[in-house]
Amino acid sequence: EVQLLESGGGLVQPGGSLRLSCEASGFTFSSYGMNWVRQAPGKGLEWVSGISRSGDSTYYADSVKGRFTISRDNSKNTLSLQMNSLRAEDTAVYYCAKDVGATSLHFDYWGQGTLVTVSS
Amino acid sequence: IVMTQSPASLSVSPGERATLSCRASQSISSNLAWYQQKPGQAPRLLIYGASTRATGIPARFSGSGSGTEFALTISSLQSEDFAVYYCQQYNNWPTFGQGTRLDIK
Repeated sequence: EVQLLESGGGLVQPGGSLRLSCEASGFTFSSYGMNWVRQAPGKGLEWVSGISRSGDSTYYADSVKGRFTISRDNSKNTLSLQMNSLRAEDTAVYYCAKDVGATSLHFDYWGQGTLVTVSS
Repeated sequence: IVMTQSPASLSVSPGERATLSCRASQSISSNLAWYQQKPGQAPRLLIYGASTRATGIPARFSGSGSGTEFALTISSLQSEDFAVYYCQQYNNWPTFGQGTRLDIK
């Protein structure tokens, strides 16, 4: 059974940093692209970032480019998102999502999400 | 690429048919997915490639369209189908529609 378990969310002040993690199990982690998708409270879905199977290629939405860094450790089946220079508009539930294929950019399994709140 | 869903909300009786629409601001071929999201839950993939059902999705869900116009049809609504539905294009960097809320009439 595929499982994705996010952690690391919490309350952070504007300008601060936070690191999210996603622990994957139930599939061959190194065979699939992985992504972060967020959802602001009461709003729709926004793709944030993606990473290739090997980690050599990374992709970002314009809204987070230069502030967020995605990475993965295939030896530990873990996906990470380092978030710097956080803004109020980054407040959202952040989901870890598995690609259907190598870098297909559509998502067949999602974690339960972790809430990030940026507020003073 | 901007994805526009219509209607924003839809009220349908159980057992009836529901059709949700999604329009892309430019051609995306068949690179479209549909997701279902219930309150407090993560989205669930229903359809990809515009018309291919994901693993375990009941046959009452069907997708159609290509280019810029797409539709998700639920042939006979069950109580568990009332949720918010999102379309998403992956022809370019992923973007989602704003969602259609499907309510019980």
